Amino acid sequence: GNSVTQMEGPVTLSEEAFLTINCTYTATGYPSLFWYVQYPGEGLQLLLKATKADDKGSNKGFEATYRKETTSFHLEKGSVQVSDSAVYFCALSEVGSSSNTGKLIFGQGTTLQVKP
Amino acid sequence: EAQVTQNPRYLITVTGKKLTVTCSQNMNHEYMSWYRQDPGLGLRQIYYSMNVEVTDKGDVPEGYKVSRKEKRNFPLILESPSPNQTSLYFCASSFGGLYTDTQYFGPGTRLTVL
Repeated sequence: GNSVTQMEGPVTLSEEAFLTINCTYTATGYPSLFWYVQYPGEGLQLLLKATKADDKGSNKGFEATYRKETTSFHLEKGSVQVSDSAVYFCALSEVGSSSNTGKLIFGQGTTLQVKP
Repeated sequence: EAQVTQNPRYLITVTGKKLTVTCSQNMNHEYMSWYRQDPGLGLRQIYYSMNVEVTDKGDVPEGYKVSRKEKRNFPLILESPSPNQTSLYFCASSFGGLYTDTQYFGPGTRLTVL
């Protein structure tokens, strides 16, 4: 079945460091890919998304490129801030062959802690 | 403000005592769903609804019920809660449930079943 694998956390960085959170997926067809962020005590917010191969999603300095050949959607940011401390989830949206379920398949989440 | 709301935000209950977690969205979305979040497992879908009166099971539906009588509301019902249903629950909605649609999440309900 479809699945998403994220790098184990927690990830601890100093402010202004470069961030990469790896995400790889297994899926049939051509799913859409998403990064969601969960700040402490809050729900999930969409960070960025890509709906087809080679698309680059970007938002708030974060970027991720949909790589079909490596089945990856790694999240990157050039210079992290303390306010980026959160849990990051990679997810894919299944493409049903006969019916659409709208289901998101999530990775286990990666906790990012940025220190001043 | 466009949002998904859930109530209650926190709930402690005892085994077997029926409870309902409400979910409401004000974006006129057709699609709504429920997820549970457990450490190390990410989020898993419980039930979803493509439209009013149309619901279906997700990956972990056992022990849960839902109903969709109005477009804006999608309550989650635990008729006889058990300790393994202790979890963080999220309601989500999107325009049509298409695989390209963005899903919007509520703030979460933290449930503890003793």
